[in-house]
Amino acid sequence: GAVVSQHPSWVICKSGTSVKIECRSLDFQATTMFWYRQFPKQSLMLMATSNEGSKATYEQGVEKDKFLINHASLTLSTLTVTSAHPEDSSFYICSARDLRSPWGQETQYFGPGTRLLVL
Amino acid sequence: DQQVKQNSPSLSVQEGRISILNCDYTNSMFDYFLWYKKYPAEGPTFLISISSIKDKNEDGRFTVFLNKSAKHLSLHIVPSQPGDSAVYFCAAELSSGSNYKLTFGKGTLLTVNP
Repeated sequence: GAVVSQHPSWVICKSGTSVKIECRSLDFQATTMFWYRQFPKQSLMLMATSNEGSKATYEQGVEKDKFLINHASLTLSTLTVTSAHPEDSSFYICSARDLRSPWGQETQYFGPGTRLLVL
Repeated sequence: DQQVKQNSPSLSVQEGRISILNCDYTNSMFDYFLWYKKYPAEGPTFLISISSIKDKNEDGRFTVFLNKSAKHLSLHIVPSQPGDSAVYFCAAELSSGSNYKLTFGKGTLLTVNP
């Protein structure tokens, strides 16, 4: 199946610094990528939808100035957590939708996730 | 308001028996449903899906049933194996005008005992 990678897999940073997380689709092109956040024992919460070449669409309650998303190419989207604080510590997961997938088939492939710990 | 609900946070079954994971949804506009399996500190892995025009889809040991009138779907795993132990997420998709956004339930932790 299609592969989506994330880098880094985990990061520890000091409060106030910015952290960039990369999401890449390795063997397919993705016009749309999604960023999720998961707290322990909770569901995956969609943060934003990232469209190649255009601005991301943020879910209600997600600060777009805090979570900067850039989808510069069909295989790469980045999430930057700006001025990170301890409450931003979480598990961030991206997914990518395969352009070739027709509607009705499995469309989203998930990355392995990035664990962020802000001290 | 939670649009996709998995009311059982955990389920424990014996190896070889059937595992039944349930999911309810409230938005009748959802038209595609998926089940994902997830291990701790990993991304979800796709298992099986079903379109709203069907009521059953089968893939090996996994079968998903959809009851649109009840807004309910279930995942059956038979026979269950210890390697099936993981968190299972139900997700629903609204394909039109939503960029194929997925809405997830909170997950059910399945433990299959040898």
